[in-house]
Amino acid sequence: EPEVTQTPSHQVTQMGQEVILRCVPISNHLYFYWYRQILGQKVEFLVSFYNNEISEKSEIFDDQFSVERPDGSNFTLKIRSTKLEDSAMYFCASSEGVPFYGYTFGSGTRLTVV
Amino acid sequence: GENVEQHPSTLSVQEGDSAVIKCTYSDSASNYFPWYKQELGKRPQLIIDIRSNVGEKKDQRIAVTLNKTAKHFSLHITETQPEDSAVYFCAAPTHNDYKLSFGAGTTVTVRA
Repeated sequence: EPEVTQTPSHQVTQMGQEVILRCVPISNHLYFYWYRQILGQKVEFLVSFYNNEISEKSEIFDDQFSVERPDGSNFTLKIRSTKLEDSAMYFCASSEGVPFYGYTFGSGTRLTVV
Repeated sequence: GENVEQHPSTLSVQEGDSAVIKCTYSDSASNYFPWYKQELGKRPQLIIDIRSNVGEKKDQRIAVTLNKTAKHFSLHITETQPEDSAVYFCAAPTHNDYKLSFGAGTTVTVRA
C-alpha cells in the first residue's frame, strides 16, 4: 500500500533555530497538507498546498512557517525561528483530490524545542 | 469554515460491550465523513468513512451512521476488544476546500 513518508522521525532543536521537516507524499496525489498535534490534543490544520502554491493556511501558520515543493517528490515545512510552543508532532498528509477521498497521513515528526 | 464537535472526550467500556462516539458538523455542504484511529505515538489511520449519499456503512465490528438533516454522524464499535483502545477522531471537509477539520478526539479504553 502506498505510504506518505516523513523524515526525521524525531528532531530536537534549540529555541530560535530553524528546522526543516520533510515529507514525500504519495506519487499520484495532488493535495498536500501539514497538520500538527500537541501532545494529548487534537490534530490541527496548518496549511494546504495544491498546484505549487498554498491554497489555505490557518492562524497558526504565521510568518515563521513556510512550505515548499522543491522537486517532484518532496514537500517541506520550514520553521524559521523555533519557539518552545512549536514542540509538537507534525504530520504530513496527501490526498488524491476530486472527489475527496480523505487523507493518508505520514508517520509524523516529533519536534522538541529546548 | 467547518466546525466539528465530538463527544464524549473519554469513553471507558467493558470488553465485549459497544462504544458509540458522536460528532456534529456545521457546513451543510460537507459530503464526506471519515473516522480516524490513533494509537499512542502513531499516525491517525483511516478506519471507516461515509459519503453523504448513504445513511450507514458497516465494516465488520465498526459502523458509521450519518444524519444529514441533523448534521451529525456517529461511530459504532460492537463487541469491543482491548486492541480497540485508542483515540478516535472524526473529521469533515469544508465544501470546495479539500481540507479536513478534526474533532477534538475521544479516548476509548476497553477494560478486560
